[in-house]
Amino acid sequence: EDQVTQSPEALRLQEGESSSLNCSYTVSGLRGLFWYRQDPGKGPEFLFTLYSAGEEKEKERLKATLTKKESFLHITAPKPEDSATYLCAVIFGATNKLIFGTGTLLAVQP
Amino acid sequence: KAGVTQTPRYLIKTRGQQVTLSCSPISGHRSVSWYQQTPGQGLQFLFEYFSETQRNKGNFPGRFSGRQFSNSRSEMNVSTLELGDSALYLCASSSPFGGTTDTQYFGPGTRLTVL
Repeated sequence: EDQVTQSPEALRLQEGESSSLNCSYTVSGLRGLFWYRQDPGKGPEFLFTLYSAGEEKEKERLKATLTKKESFLHITAPKPEDSATYLCAVIFGATNKLIFGTGTLLAVQP
Repeated sequence: KAGVTQTPRYLIKTRGQQVTLSCSPISGHRSVSWYQQTPGQGLQFLFEYFSETQRNKGNFPGRFSGRQFSNSRSEMNVSTLELGDSALYLCASSSPFGGTTDTQYFGPGTRLTVL
């Protein structure tokens, strides 16, 4: 079954404590993997798109990487404002629909 | 550039009623997708419209329908509301050119509560 799994479900970090979030997928014909950030009561905010294994993208304290089976979102020296739910989604096959993971709830304490 | 806008932001309805939600995509975008977000099921794809045509459809009952207008604005309709339809309904726009791996940008959502 086509599936996207994110781990951990929740993560609590101290400010400045770097970590990584994982997104593993079991789909055929991956055409794109997307990372979004979602704050409570708001729509997902786009972060990165990755298209092929080995690709990396960076933005401020975030870096996303992609392999053939999973993606990582690395957070370096996080700040409290990085607290949010981070969602991973894939597009595969012939459709344009995003299949989402269940997200990682990140809390960064000062 | 203005982002995706959705109206209304909040709705309260009772079982059996119907509801229409509206979405205005980013200027120049021609693809609009709708998603339902609930605590139990997460984000699930409803349908996608491109150039006024439904291009993809998710696994939702026929009570859920949508349409897209010539200016790319889209509406979704839910008839005969059930308690389980309470959710955040999100609209996303993408693709000025019809590509199927273009990034989807989300609106703020419409929070629907069914009593």
